[in-house]
Amino acid sequence: NAGVTQTPKFQVLKTGQSMTLQCAQDMNHNSMYWYRQDPGMGLRLIYYSASEGTTDKGEVPNGYNVSRLNKREFSLRLESAAPSQTSVYFCASTPGPYYGYTFGSGTRLTVV
Amino acid sequence: GIQVEQSPPDLILQEGANSTLRCNFSDSVNNLQWFHQNPWGQLINLFYIPSGTKQNGRLSATTVATERYSLLYISSSQTTDSGVYFCAVEAGNAGNMLTFGGGTRLMVKP
Repeated sequence: NAGVTQTPKFQVLKTGQSMTLQCAQDMNHNSMYWYRQDPGMGLRLIYYSASEGTTDKGEVPNGYNVSRLNKREFSLRLESAAPSQTSVYFCASTPGPYYGYTFGSGTRLTVV
Repeated sequence: GIQVEQSPPDLILQEGANSTLRCNFSDSVNNLQWFHQNPWGQLINLFYIPSGTKQNGRLSATTVATERYSLLYISSSQTTDSGVYFCAVEAGNAGNMLTFGGGTRLMVKP
């Protein structure tokens, strides 16, 4: 049982490049989330998907897009990376309201 | 939006000591969770506790929703307890948006 799997674990991009961060969960959870964590800070919500087929903006959505490909997978895309997007990105999932979250191990992204 | 404040921001303990971490929040919540982020960055869910008290081994948590705070107790601390402890809440009208506090950074010395 892998839980929440994120790929890649590390990535370096040049300003203006695009990339997609992948997230998959094998727990049959309905809700999935993307957070970013900047140094010395808590996590901030970028986008979430309450259920398959729906996505909504979180606190810091600018510069990102998401796709809930199916119940298992929720991807985060940076269309034109900027240095301000240098961060650690975490994916999480939960069965639904009133349950705890399970987090992936994170993707450390550096934009130069 | 809802404000989440954690205290203390930093804590250094000798192995075997006990500690209490506090989380204050500014509005009513229907979801409150405690997480431990280990030194390698992995986030582990410790408790889902929007109200009441729960215990898991040396850790326990209490949330007093009417007074808008939660406490995490660590007893007989071990070096493996080191890391950052986050409280995260979802306000009653916030849908699926979990808001994190700034964390308490704990170092347990042998």
